[in-house]
Amino acid sequence: DAGVIQSPRHEVTEMGQEVTLRCKPISGHNSLFWYRQTMMRGLELLIYFNNNVPIDDSGMPEDRFSAKMPNASFSTLKIQPSEPRDSAVYFCASSLNRQETQYFGPGTRLLVL
Amino acid sequence: RKEVEQDPGPFNVPEGATVAFNCTYSNSASQSFFWYRQDCRKEPKLLMSVYSSGNEDGRFTAQLNRASQYISLLIRDSKLSDSATYLCVVTRVSSNYKLTFGKGTLLTVNP
Repeated sequence: DAGVIQSPRHEVTEMGQEVTLRCKPISGHNSLFWYRQTMMRGLELLIYFNNNVPIDDSGMPEDRFSAKMPNASFSTLKIQPSEPRDSAVYFCASSLNRQETQYFGPGTRLLVL
Repeated sequence: RKEVEQDPGPFNVPEGATVAFNCTYSNSASQSFFWYRQDCRKEPKLLMSVYSSGNEDGRFTAQLNRASQYISLLIRDSKLSDSATYLCVVTRVSSNYKLTFGKGTLLTVNP
């Protein structure tokens, strides 16, 4: 069975550029989560969706970050404009529902120069 | 104070050793507890849930002390393949079951 799929796996960009990260959750999962991991702050939840609806976006750092889930099989996390402090590993995870085990994708390693 | 705090580590142990990780959480309303494992440059994966009565899965034993707001993970007869970062995770209904992660403790098992 396919797990959570994320693309791209690596992204190097220059400050000020727009970055779009993509995620395909496990089929049949109703909850989708975006996390960011850094050495300084560890793993932090940015936003999560339930049945394609954003439920909690309190972790989104600022207006430069936005996330969408247009359908049950696709989500995007966009950073515009990107800044060097956005450099991190971004993980997407999905679960059957918000109380069930979350399965993480392989992550996108973002470097903003 | 951080909501979930773990031993800073790193832990370096020989194969066959027993190693214990500790974790404390600050919100007494926390309801569910987990240990996740994260290999180098990989995604986190659920290792085991932690139940009030304590639970065991092979060489791994997890304990919860609600009164002290303390969680532990014991690994017996450690293997080289146990080398990873171990993340303590808590969640509660009032946070919409949001997973709150500790920063993790790095374990290296040496031959």
